[in-house]
Amino acid sequence: DGGITQSPKYLFRKEGQNVTLSCEQNLNHDAMYWYRQDPGQGLRLIYYSQIVNDFQKGDIAEGYSVSREKKESFPLTVTSAQKNPTAFYLCASSGSGNTIYFGEGSWLTVV
Amino acid sequence: SQQGEEDPQALSIQEGENATMNCSYKTSINNLQWYRQNSGRGLVHLILIRSNEREKHSGRLRVTLDTSKKSSSLLITASRAADTASYFCATPTQGGSEKLVFGKGMKLTVNP
Repeated sequence: DGGITQSPKYLFRKEGQNVTLSCEQNLNHDAMYWYRQDPGQGLRLIYYSQIVNDFQKGDIAEGYSVSREKKESFPLTVTSAQKNPTAFYLCASSGSGNTIYFGEGSWLTVV
Repeated sequence: SQQGEEDPQALSIQEGENATMNCSYKTSINNLQWYRQNSGRGLVHLILIRSNEREKHSGRLRVTLDTSKKSSSLLITASRAADTASYFCATPTQGGSEKLVFGKGMKLTVNP
């Protein structure tokens, strides 16, 4: 089935640790996105990439890093510099139209 | 950089009733989209309406767009318990139609 796969679904991070969230898509989409969702806050854009080997910061990029070495993959690393990382993280992609397709999300909790 | 704002923030209705959600935005847009999110899941695209369209239908969904008032509404007719979810409007950011800005969402509860 075509779609966006995020893993893991649940992830726990210790203080001072970096963790990486995986996002893979087989929709042949050029653009990919990472959003963060906090309760009652809606979605906020962390990073986005419109083409392989290129990405731009979104509204809340501090404490996060990404890479786009392959068209299918857009992993997000939550670094120790992100002081409040507990949230629901959503990966998405889009093709030539304006519609964005989302993965099922990953829950990150600091322990 | 909040663009769309849904209203009301929460709505509780009985099965069979209609549900109307409103979205206001601040800047000129070329399209507006509505998404749905079940609890703890990803968002699913419902419908896109372009700036030159005033109304669009998809099954039990009806979306209107008033660019003069910078507002849109989503109407769900004959609601079902399975419609219980959060609904978001999304608009492109200025200078980049592929980047969407989402509102905070509206929680709809349909009671059986």
